[in-house]
Amino acid sequence: EAGVTQSPTHLIKTRGQQATLRCSPISGHTSVYWYQQALGLGLQFLLWYDEGEERNRGNFPPRFSGRQFPNYSSELNVNALELEDSALYLCASSPWDTEYNSPLHFGNGTRLTVT
Amino acid sequence: AQKVTQAQTEISVVEKEDVTLDCVYETRDTTYYLFWYKQPPSGELVFLIRRNSFDEQNEISGRYSWNFQKSTSSFNFTITASQVVDSAVYFCALSETNNNDMRFGAGTRLTVKP
Repeated sequence: EAGVTQSPTHLIKTRGQQATLRCSPISGHTSVYWYQQALGLGLQFLLWYDEGEERNRGNFPPRFSGRQFPNYSSELNVNALELEDSALYLCASSPWDTEYNSPLHFGNGTRLTVT
Repeated sequence: AQKVTQAQTEISVVEKEDVTLDCVYETRDTTYYLFWYKQPPSGELVFLIRRNSFDEQNEISGRYSWNFQKSTSSFNFTITASQVVDSAVYFCALSETNNNDMRFGAGTRLTVKP
């Protein structure tokens, strides 16, 4: 079974540009989560999508947005990039769980560098 | 909103020593789930354990054990006879039943020296 895949592995942008990060969940998983892991700050919750809808978002400005496609893959878009957006962006997926709170399965991340 | 605190930023031990990673959480929910993940140098987070708030039994899996105490809102992780391969960043996480988004602590970097 293929794991969560993210692309690209690395992304270098300049301040003010837009970045698009992509994620393919494990087959059969309907929920996709995005996290930002900035140096020394641990994992910060960004967004949660399930069945194509945004279910919750963390404490990030609106220039962080995304969507989930009918095949459950997802995109994270970051507009008007700032230097402090440089971080590892991790995508995770989980199956639908009637109890909620399934363990998350993570991809290897996209390292975004803003210069 | 839920919150997870891992007060130990970095821990360094010598191989075969036992080490405990602390995790303290805050939540208003009576039903919640606690997790531990391992992030080796490769970067991918690996799920280690999930515990729900109604199950306070401690768990042991090989050299790993977890101590869940609701009275102190703690979910500590102990590695017995540590090995160099245990070197990684370990994250404690919490999710509440109303929100499926998982909130992580800042992580503890464990270095096991030979």
